[in-house]
Amino acid sequence: DTEVTQTPKHLVMGMTNKKSLKCEQHMGHRAMYWYKQKAKKPPELMFVYSYEKLSINESVPSRFSPECPNSSLLNLHLHALQPEDSALYLCASSHFPSDTQYFGPGTRLTVL
Amino acid sequence: EDKVVQSPLSLVVHEGDTVTLNCSYEVTNFRSLLWYKQEKKAPTFLFMLTSSGIEKKSGRLSSILDKKELFSILNITATQTGDSAVYLCAVETLYGNKLVFGAGTILRVKS
Repeated sequence: DTEVTQTPKHLVMGMTNKKSLKCEQHMGHRAMYWYKQKAKKPPELMFVYSYEKLSINESVPSRFSPECPNSSLLNLHLHALQPEDSALYLCASSHFPSDTQYFGPGTRLTVL
Repeated sequence: EDKVVQSPLSLVVHEGDTVTLNCSYEVTNFRSLLWYKQEKKAPTFLFMLTSSGIEKKSGRLSSILDKKELFSILNITATQTGDSAVYLCAVETLYGNKLVFGAGTILRVKS
């Protein structure tokens, strides 16, 4: 298994909803990342997990809450989002921290 | 502040043309430079460059890094419509696990 998978592919939610994005990899990678990408812009880093510990939080609002239950799985819990949070959310993983990052297909999130 | 600048911002060529995409950077503690291709969804990895002057090749794509002049180029020869995409350049720094992305070059190959 040589890929990063993300579910769901698309998500539409209201501002009062609570939802979660899921990312999984079975390549034995020990670093996992969440990025946010707005239309026509490059990806922006949100969080980095190294060896299942949060190592970087790029001043992301608390309505985004990451979780790394084990070395293969990374979640992003969403609560009370704003319409401007609508974007493509990309997960990536790398063998070790500071190694080449491989991206999942992304979740297209729309907040109404 | 770390910065990555790509040029041109967009490019339209005809099938069979050769294109050169540019990426210049100003970062402290450079570790590596990466090229990604992004179509509708996720970026897909193309090359990772760490040493100056060593060309990396994959089929019709090639890339080289100049650490003295702080830039990299991505060449695509005999372009095909399937090469149409956004090409992202990203630089990784030694400390922290961050990728600093450029804005991307939008390439459109017309048949």
